[in-house]
Amino acid sequence: VQLQQSGPGLVKPSQTLSLTCAISGDTVSSNSAAWNWIRQSPSRGLEWLGRTYYRSKWYSEYAISVKSRININPDTSKNQISLHLKSVTPEDTAVYYCVRDLRKNTAMVDDDFDVWGQGTMVTVSS
Amino acid sequence: DIQMTQSPSSLSASVGDRVTITCRASQSISSYLNWYHQKPGKAPKLLIYRASSLQSGVPSRFSGSGSGTDFTLTISSLQPEDFATYYCQQSHSTPPTFGGGTKVEIK
Repeated sequence: VQLQQSGPGLVKPSQTLSLTCAISGDTVSSNSAAWNWIRQSPSRGLEWLGRTYYRSKWYSEYAISVKSRININPDTSKNQISLHLKSVTPEDTAVYYCVRDLRKNTAMVDDDFDVWGQGTMVTVSS
Repeated sequence: DIQMTQSPSSLSASVGDRVTITCRASQSISSYLNWYHQKPGKAPKLLIYRASSLQSGVPSRFSGSGSGTDFTLTISSLQPEDFATYYCQQSHSTPPTFGGGTKVEIK
């Protein structure tokens, strides 16, 4: 399984940060996987942003800290997910990772992050 | 949110040393604790899940223990490729949260 991330490395304040994660070796609509975005910065460490997954229907869940600004969407035709984070500030400067959680039991998600994308350094600056 | 605290924040060790890193949760998380390591410029890699289960492909020198609020990662004999930063992460409740990291450096 590989996750290939793409998107701009520089975003202006107040604009929208958009990243894409192309999935190979698995399917975005798998009943056994959840697809997450996690970011990492020196000031905030590793921070979970949200996830999307399919369990007979689509679910999306987000961290409270970004809930009013974030959307994570699956694209089944391209087998990928996207991240959109609007109204960014310099505080959103971080390395962003697309991450798989492969569940091992009957819970909806396991939060055991077994496959990571290569990471995208995003700087918010004018 | 559940807060995860690791100690120490850094340590120096030699190849062949036994290394122990601890992680404490702000409330009981049963055995829902994962360990990762991360090398500079790379993504984190899952080592241990459910406190003590070795992820496929991870060397047996890595082991984990604990339950409730206190957990330990042990490297039985440190190898050159093990110099990295180690993170714990709770998978008990949403949002999943990570510890601040322990940097393992060469003595």
